[in-house]
Amino acid sequence: GESVGLHLPTLSVQEGDNSIINCAYSNSASDYFIWYKQESGKGPQFIIDIRSNMDKRQGQRVTVLLNKTVKHLSLQIAATQPGDSAVYFCAENPDKLIFGTGTRLQVFP
Amino acid sequence: ETGVTQTPRHLVMGMTNKKSLKCEQHLGHNAMYWYKQSAKKPLELMFVYNFKEQTENNSVPSRFSPECPNSSHLFLHLHTLQPEDSALYLCASSQLGRQGKGAFFGQGTRLTVV
Repeated sequence: GESVGLHLPTLSVQEGDNSIINCAYSNSASDYFIWYKQESGKGPQFIIDIRSNMDKRQGQRVTVLLNKTVKHLSLQIAATQPGDSAVYFCAENPDKLIFGTGTRLQVFP
Repeated sequence: ETGVTQTPRHLVMGMTNKKSLKCEQHLGHNAMYWYKQSAKKPLELMFVYNFKEQTENNSVPSRFSPECPNSSHLFLHLHTLQPEDSALYLCASSQLGRQGKGAFFGQGTRLTVV
């Protein structure tokens, strides 16, 4: 069946460092992926997406990398800030989102 | 503000009570969803409505009853819940049939069953 999972439950980084959050997916037919950020007490918010015809997409301070060969997705956050502290989820298929457990990103000074 | 509004934000109810959660989307989307988020568990898809028709019920107990009167409004009627139903209930909407930005979520209703 479909499954999306995250490798690490918690990631701690120092302010200013780069963060890398990883995600594995199992449905090789998936052609669209999204990263969401969920802050405490809020619903998930869209960060960045990527289609399967691309292997990299950049946004403001964020980059998503897609490796279809090994079915792996990563989110890179440059110069991590305290406001980046949240739980990050990857999801596949925009119309029937399947989420993993999420990775909690903690930023310390 | 994502264009998806959920009320109430917090709800405490007894196991014999009947309550309803409300969701409204102002994005012109044609699909709406209910998700359940428990502590230390992935987001669980509960129901999907496509053009007001329920297209998915993800083995949800009958004590949860969804209602979608139109493409902008979604309700989740609750009755005789159990303490383990305490969770954050999230509503989302999306536009099906075209490439877009996926689902947009509301802020959620924090439900506590006592």
